[in-house]
Amino acid sequence: KAGVTQTPRYLIKTRGQQVTLSCSPISGHRSVSWYQQTPGQGLQFLFEYFSETQRNKGNFPGRFSGRQFSNSRSEMNVSTLELGDSALYLCASSPGTGGKETQYFGPGTRLLVL
Amino acid sequence: SQQGEEDPQALSIQEGENATMNCSYKTSINNLQWYRQNSGRGLVHLILIRSNEREKHSGRLRVTLDTSKKSSSLLITASRAADTASYFCATDRGDYKLSFGAGTTVTVRA
Repeated sequence: KAGVTQTPRYLIKTRGQQVTLSCSPISGHRSVSWYQQTPGQGLQFLFEYFSETQRNKGNFPGRFSGRQFSNSRSEMNVSTLELGDSALYLCASSPGTGGKETQYFGPGTRLLVL
Repeated sequence: SQQGEEDPQALSIQEGENATMNCSYKTSINNLQWYRQNSGRGLVHLILIRSNEREKHSGRLRVTLDTSKKSSSLLITASRAADTASYFCATDRGDYKLSFGAGTTVTVRA
């Protein structure tokens, strides 16, 4: 099976712009999670989707949003970008059926905000 | 806030030596997982240990879990240069998210 794919891999934006990141999970996986990784805060949970429903959301401002489509692909959007949004954004997928669940991570999208 | 704290923050060892890193967490968990990350790339799952398990092995990896102390350890035996990476523990509380520790950076010297 193909792994988790994320596009784009690298992105440079300026403050105030918005950005959309995409994630395609492993075939058959219905859960997609997003994490932000920065040197200062480490790995922080953003949100999790299962069958197009958000089941959990991390402690991030409303500028961060996401959605999941019927084919389980997911997008996250960050509006009004700030310098502090520069980070590696990681997407992970899992079957989503609960219990013991390994997360399979994509390579990440590295976002630089200037 | 992060659920887990890892210790040490960094570790430098000679090839062939063992590497041990520890993880402590704050609340009850369903399971604890260890991941590896090479140079800011995606995370690779190493091993998952359930809350009712005390020890698990996978190849050169050994993980222990002490729920009474809310701590876990990861042992890498006979380390290789390819083991150079950052290692993260992550706790699953059954709330559809993983809470990660700050990570341990391991450098294996040839």
